[in-house]
Amino acid sequence: KNEVEQSPQNLTAQEGEFITINCSYSVGISALHWLQQHPGGGIVSLFMLSSGKKKHGRLIATINIQEKHSSLHITASHPRDSAVYICAVNNWATDKLIFGTGTRLQVFP
Amino acid sequence: EAGVAQSPRYKIIEKRQSVAFWCNPISGHATLYWYQQILGQGPKLLIQFQNNGVVDDSQLPKDRFSAERLKGVDSTLKIQPAKLEDSAVYLCASSPPRQGGEAFFGQGTRLTVV
Repeated sequence: KNEVEQSPQNLTAQEGEFITINCSYSVGISALHWLQQHPGGGIVSLFMLSSGKKKHGRLIATINIQEKHSSLHITASHPRDSAVYICAVNNWATDKLIFGTGTRLQVFP
Repeated sequence: EAGVAQSPRYKIIEKRQSVAFWCNPISGHATLYWYQQILGQGPKLLIQFQNNGVVDDSQLPKDRFSAERLKGVDSTLKIQPAKLEDSAVYLCASSPPRQGGEAFFGQGTRLTVV
């Protein structure tokens, strides 16, 4: 079993829909990251969380430390949101960054 | 603030050839990571440096892969000789010298071995 699990693996949506991507992890962490990867391969950091909730524009990220679970929400989705969204955690003991396998999102006009 | 710089962006080589990738992390970031991302999969850690020391290289195929981080700043990752299955995006990331520091990623180098 992977230390970081994401769901769903693939997601399609119509423009304007509300989207949720989930991440569960099994190790003690010092931080959780949500990352966005476009087809060219480059990765952009969206959020780094250690507790609570963060919001940036149409993106919202939440984390529940007790349940070892985080969600990334996209409100009013747009075709330009189409990308792979990756959850990654810093293992508290080793500081190693552990990645989930990503969620491929496609938003259609 | 300048980001993590990687070069080249793309590389095509024949199997059994050698290739080297370069990474310049964000200034002051003590931790540097090299990841391999095969198409359709999440990134896999190859090696993690703390300053110029290796913290974790357990998943680095040491018979063909090598990495160094001279003076605790820039890093190079080398593959010699390359195999077809090495075709992937090689990502470099860096983070500050504290646990849970935000990681910043380079654009990656897309390697195709033919």
